[in-house]
Amino acid sequence: GAGVSQTPSNKVTEKGKYVELRCDPISGHTALYWYRQSLGQGPEFLIYFQGTGAADDSGLPNDRFFAVRPEGSVSTLKIQRTERGDSAVYLCASSLIRQNSPLHFGNGTRLTVT
Amino acid sequence: GENVEQHPSTLSVQEGDSAVIKCTYSDSASNYFPWYKQELGKRPQLIIDIRSNVGEKKDQRIAVTLNKTAKHFSLHITETQPEDSAVYFCAASGGGNKLVFGAGTILRVKS
Repeated sequence: GAGVSQTPSNKVTEKGKYVELRCDPISGHTALYWYRQSLGQGPEFLIYFQGTGAADDSGLPNDRFFAVRPEGSVSTLKIQRTERGDSAVYLCASSLIRQNSPLHFGNGTRLTVT
Repeated sequence: GENVEQHPSTLSVQEGDSAVIKCTYSDSASNYFPWYKQELGKRPQLIIDIRSNVGEKKDQRIAVTLNKTAKHFSLHITETQPEDSAVYFCAASGGGNKLVFGAGTILRVKS
């Protein structure tokens, strides 16, 4: 079946601009995660949704970052007033809701802030 | 919160040899330990996982061991092949489904 889909695959934006990154999880997966991966590092947790609500947003670095999942399926990660330090690959993953279910990752969105 | 350390950062082995990657974790409440393989420019893919009620798990050439007392777990790849070359990440979860990842190990299998 279809895996986790992320769009766009690449995004180049100027410093100070607003960006939206989209994630379409695997059908039937009620848990959705956003991670950020910088070059040469492991994925860094940002936020986790159970259904429509953010169950854990402790990884969001500051209030410029916000994520929504209004209908419990597609999620959008929003970054305001982008900074060069926001450049990274943003990974989305989904899983079944039961504890410790394997995460299935999308291919990521490579964000470059110039 | 949980902290995961991974060693070595790079590992080169000859084709056919074994490779071992080790991770330690800090939160004794962590109970789920997956390993992911990431090829250049691609998404991380789960290759094996282990839960805290099990000490060892094997899947063909790949095995994972867990020592809860010492809070460390290891990935073992036997009979390595060139296609095993990739970056490998360990992770730990203390419940709540939040995975914390190690920094990764670049594995290079020389033919």
